[in-house]
Amino acid sequence: GENVEQHPSTLSVQEGDSAVIKCTYSDSASNYFPWYKQELGKRPQLIIDIRSNVGEKKDQRIAVTLNKTAKHFSLHITETQPEDSAVYFCAAGFYGQNFVFGPGTRLSVLP
Amino acid sequence: ETGVTQSPTHLIKTRGQQVTLRCSSQSGHNTVSWYQQALGQGPQFIFQYYREEENGRGNFPPRFSGLQFPNYSSELNVNALELDDSALYLCASSLGPDRGPNYGYTFGSGTRLTVV
Repeated sequence: GENVEQHPSTLSVQEGDSAVIKCTYSDSASNYFPWYKQELGKRPQLIIDIRSNVGEKKDQRIAVTLNKTAKHFSLHITETQPEDSAVYFCAAGFYGQNFVFGPGTRLSVLP
Repeated sequence: ETGVTQSPTHLIKTRGQQVTLRCSSQSGHNTVSWYQQALGQGPQFIFQYYREEENGRGNFPPRFSGLQFPNYSSELNVNALELDDSALYLCASSLGPDRGPNYGYTFGSGTRLTVV
């Protein structure tokens, strides 16, 4: 089955700097890669996603890149703000079906 | 408000008891997935229901069972509770494969289950 690894487990950046979180997956058949943000005590919320037929997708300060050959994908957050502090989860799978989540990255944006 | 509602929000049970968690899917969504999120970990897939049938199951024992109703709401039942079952249980709804491309789950707020 699918296995997703995520690095780093914790990340601290200064406000205004960029943050990068990387994930690898094992099942080359996976075709959908969402990223979720989870604030303390709250539900995971979808922040951006990418499908396997696209190499890069951007939404304002957030971007995701996908390298299908290497089976890894990354989340890039530019101009970080304190409200970006949260746990971020990557996932891999098939849209419309179940996903396998990574273990999460705790991002702290220091003012 | 995401439209996915779960009940109850918190629950305390004793080891060996049984529990039922409930989820109402977002309007128009016919697929419900259940995940278990232990403290400090990512969500783990339990199972998914599509059109009232189980449509995939993760690595959870048979004492974890579920149902989906004609209105697409769903229940998660856990028998013979163990201490390790303590976790946040998340329900997520999505469009099924018969409704065209969809873009990920809408999660509910979850039910925090504590087994003592």
